[in-house]
Amino acid sequence: AQKITQTQPGMFVQEKEAVTLDCTYDTSDPSYGLFWYKQPSSGEMIFLIYQGSYDQQNATEGRYSLNFQKARKSANLVISASQLGDSAMYFCAMREANTGNQFYFGTGTSLTVIP
Amino acid sequence: EAGVAQSPRYKIIEKRQSVAFWCNPISGHATLYWYQQILGQGPKLLIQFQNNGVVDDSQLPKDRFSAERLKGVDSTLKIQPAKLEDSAVYLCASSFQGGGTGILYFGPGTRLTVT
Repeated sequence: AQKITQTQPGMFVQEKEAVTLDCTYDTSDPSYGLFWYKQPSSGEMIFLIYQGSYDQQNATEGRYSLNFQKARKSANLVISASQLGDSAMYFCAMREANTGNQFYFGTGTSLTVIP
Repeated sequence: EAGVAQSPRYKIIEKRQSVAFWCNPISGHATLYWYQQILGQGPKLLIQFQNNGVVDDSQLPKDRFSAERLKGVDSTLKIQPAKLEDSAVYLCASSFQGGGTGILYFGPGTRLTVT
């Protein structure tokens, strides 16, 4: 089974609108971390936001927030007030404590912001 | 704080030639990862080091790929001989283990083209 599933290969959003990128995960480890990374066309992977499995509140970092629904095993990324510079690939990832802290990545979602 | 350094940024070689990539992680980061990212896909783990020991190399094609992390700091990934399907971006990443979120920080990557 896939550890991380991103079902949206491509998404479009109007500038200044909000957009949600979906991510579901599969783990039996009670201790894990969820991450979102942005990869612009330049190729570098940029860390955006982190959510720990024991965190009670949803993580927020500026315009980024993580909608963490533990029972549903989903960790959707919400980008508010989209900007043209948000156009990029977005990857969801998970780190499990019981697998030597190995990271599992999804297949990514390509986001295009339309002016 | 300096980020993860990688060199070279770009490399073009012919099939059957050899190539080496270098990575210097963030100071103090004990864990170092090499990922292969083929165009349009998510990163695939090749090898994970904890200090100078290998934690996971299950997906490293050992007949042609090798990696070392002498002295537990910088690391070298080698391909010998290269095949056409090795064309990809090779990403190095590091994280601090021993507490905290274990965020993965990536270098700029090396884009390899095998002709």
